[in-house]
Formats: sequence, C-alpha cells, structure tokens
Amino acid sequence: EVVLTQSPDFQSVTPKEKVTITCRASQSVDSGLHWYQQKAGQSPRLLVRYASQSQSFSGAPSRFSGSGSGTDFTLTINSLEAEDAATYFCQQSSILPVTFGQGTKLEIK
Amino acid sequence: QVTLRESGPAQLKPTQTLTLTCSFSGFSFSFSGMSVTWIRQTPGKALEWLARVDGDDDKFYSSSLRTRLTISKDTSRNQVALTMTNMDPVDTATYYCVRGRHVYDFWGQGILVTVSS
Repeated sequence: EVVLTQSPDFQSVTPKEKVTITCRASQSVDSGLHWYQQKAGQSPRLLVRYASQSQSFSGAPSRFSGSGSGTDFTLTINSLEAEDAATYFCQQSSILPVTFGQGTKLEIK
Repeated sequence: QVTLRESGPAQLKPTQTLTLTCSFSGFSFSFSGMSVTWIRQTPGKALEWLARVDGDDDKFYSSSLRTRLTISKDTSRNQVALTMTNMDPVDTATYYCVRGRHVYDFWGQGILVTVSS
C-alpha cells in the first residue's frame, strides 16, 4: 500500500505566518492527493482535492492552497489565522487501498 | 444540504459483532458516481479506510479487514450499514461514514465505539 509521510508532525506558528506542510508518497499517486483539516472534537473537512483544487466554493478559506504531483505534495496556508489551529491530513486515492498521512498538528502561538 | 449520521452501539465486548448504520440526506445513490465510504480514526488519530459501496452496488474492502467486514446499502431508505465481526480492543475508534468514492467531501459526526471486556 502507499505510505504517506507528512512533515512536520507538529508546528507552533504565529498568526499571519505562511505555513507549509508536506506530504510524500512512497510511490507515485499522480494528482490523486487530497488535504483535510480536522479541528479538535470535529470531523475532518476537505480543503483541497486532486493536489491543487481548492474547496473555497464549499467554505474552505481561500488562504489554503495545494500543489504537487507524483510523490511530493504541499499544503500552503497563507496568512495563518487563529482558527487554523487543527490537525491536517493528506489522503491518496490513486492506488487502493486508500491511505492517509499521519497528520500534522498546527498550534497557534 | 448534505448530512450523514452514524448510529450504533457505543460499547462492545471482545468477539462481539459491530453493526453501524449511516443515514444520509441531501444526495442519493441514484446520482451518477455516488458512493458512501466508512473510515475510522483511532484514539491516536490515525485514519483508516474500511469499506465503500457504490451506487451500482459494487463493494470494496480494506484488504487487512476484508474477512471481517460487510457493507450494504438500502437505497430506498438512504442508508448504508457496516458490519465488523470479532471485535477486539484494537478496534476501538471513532467510525465515520463519508460521502465520496475517491475524495470525501462530507463526513458524519462520527461514532466512538469502545471495545472492552
């Protein structure tokens, strides 16, 4: 199965900072890589689908964007806000079984 | 408005069978390409894909749990059921039903299932 490795595992950041989270796949998943945000006590929410398609039309803030293809992917948060404190997961859908990254926890200072 | 809601037991004893039901609204299996998937999240927060049922009744299972899982749908009632046999304490997790085949755009609130003697 495809192993997704996120980095970092944890990051403490200040508001207005630009944040980058990476997700590396153990084999190519083309653009079948998606990003989710999970706030404490809530279900995950889709932020970006197919590497770079933002979900701003469904409520995800436009400061979230994704990039990458193949094995290396990035989620970028421009101008971090306090409400972005959460754990972020990547997920691949190109090769069954579907797998998820271990998560990156963002703490807001 | 799309909603999904999981229901089932909150606690089980080892070796018992878990049956969860997902009741959804705002979409239908008659929509092209529609699927419902079950995903679980351990207390340590790891996410694990379990099973999926498509509108044409195709079913897919986690290879590591295949022998223990059964997924089914009731199109007329907008429900999907998941059965997992021989439950073990390591199966303690929050179980989510989600809409989607490859990407999961709507999630239920999840149901915490604890397996303990």
